[in-house]
Amino acid sequence: QVQLQESGPGLVKPSETLSLTCTVSGGSVNYYYWSWIRQPPGQGLEWIGYIYSSGSTNYNPSLKSRVTMSIDISKDHFSLNLSSVTAADTAVYYCARRDNSGYYSSWGQGTLVTVSS
Amino acid sequence: IQLTQSPSFLSASVGDRVTITCRASQGISSYLAWFQQKPGKAPNLLIYAASTLQSGVPSRFSGSGSGTEFTLTITSLQPEDFATYYCQQLNSYPLTFGGGTKVEIK
Repeated sequence: QVQLQESGPGLVKPSETLSLTCTVSGGSVNYYYWSWIRQPPGQGLEWIGYIYSSGSTNYNPSLKSRVTMSIDISKDHFSLNLSSVTAADTAVYYCARRDNSGYYSSWGQGTLVTVSS
Repeated sequence: IQLTQSPSFLSASVGDRVTITCRASQGISSYLAWFQQKPGKAPNLLIYAASTLQSGVPSRFSGSGSGTEFTLTITSLQPEDFATYYCQQLNSYPLTFGGGTKVEIK
């Protein structure tokens, strides 16, 4: 059974870049769509975007100018960079896999990133 | 595509039948999922393709609908079902979620 684990700094300063990595175990990143989804404290879920194993991406237009995703098949991990962060980017960030049915059945446990000086 | 869930808050008792509605701002065929989320945990997929029960999910959960109106029904609410429920559309990008329905104990 595939497992996903987010990692990265829990505190980022305003205007800097948030960088997170999702490590996949129990399976390969090949031939799947991998996404980042975030949830501000006490609020709902926001889809950030996806990266396919080929490297193709699709980002939420609301964040597109600040988001970059990358993938490393050899290391079975993928990453999120979100630039020029503000307090509004404070959230729990989840990585998730879209399975063969096309739906998000596998999620990481989430990691809280706080934007503060 | 905007998803509007109702109600946003629901108070119910163990054994109750509960229905949550998700309305899409435009037609999304059956490309809809339902998730359950408990505090401090990641969302858990319950239903996909509007009405298909995810493996391992109890049969008291069911989904229906297509186009713009969808429902999640929980027959005989159990103590472990008190949580927040979200719908998600996968018809078009950007993928979007409903605002959530919190189910609390009456």
